[in-house]
Amino acid sequence: DAKTTQPPSMDCAEGRAANLPCNHSTISGNEYVYWYRQIHSQGPQYIIHGLKNNETNEMASLIITEDRKSSTLILPHATLRDTAVYYCIVRVNANAGKSTFGDGTTLTVKP
Amino acid sequence: DGGITQSPKYLFRKEGQNVTLSCEQNLNHDAMYWYRQDPGQGLRLIYYSQIVNDFQKGDIAEGYSVSREKKESFPLTVTSAQKNPTAFYLCASLGTVNTEAFFGQGTRLTVV
Repeated sequence: DAKTTQPPSMDCAEGRAANLPCNHSTISGNEYVYWYRQIHSQGPQYIIHGLKNNETNEMASLIITEDRKSSTLILPHATLRDTAVYYCIVRVNANAGKSTFGDGTTLTVKP
Repeated sequence: DGGITQSPKYLFRKEGQNVTLSCEQNLNHDAMYWYRQDPGQGLRLIYYSQIVNDFQKGDIAEGYSVSREKKESFPLTVTSAQKNPTAFYLCASLGTVNTEAFFGQGTRLTVV
């Protein structure tokens, strides 16, 4: 699986959009970008994933650059409950092989 | 309800003792994973299994052992050879149809 790079921490004002970047410059053509978040002392929760097109669900939007070397997770209206560690990983879809996580980005939403 | 269950939530053991952490899933997933998390850090892969009776070492397998005798179960044993076993342990499963990983709520192991 390709390695990802994320900023260690970010702040966001409540009600504003939170934009979390991820670099994955060595991504392969068949690897998807996945985002998870972990609220303190809980198991990570799946947010969204995509291959090359932008994706949106009820939780977030995922913007993947045309060269696929980076992506941005967007939480459109951040709330205090969105304070968590956000992980970006890349892996082959439905591949049950080795799946590694980095250190993620700690997002703090402030009132 | 389908899900993945880790038990116990908190576990205390004396130094030098082996301890086994339980992970059970009823999602019919083929793949299961064990991760370790230290305070303020990300998840590090210990072992993973893609199918029953088969498993592979992750990035930090030393001092740990696993078994996969049943599809539903993937227990992790923290042996006395693990030099710093106090940590938060997370189990996950992944199916071939559903492409997202499901995580348990973790076991916090403290060795005194």
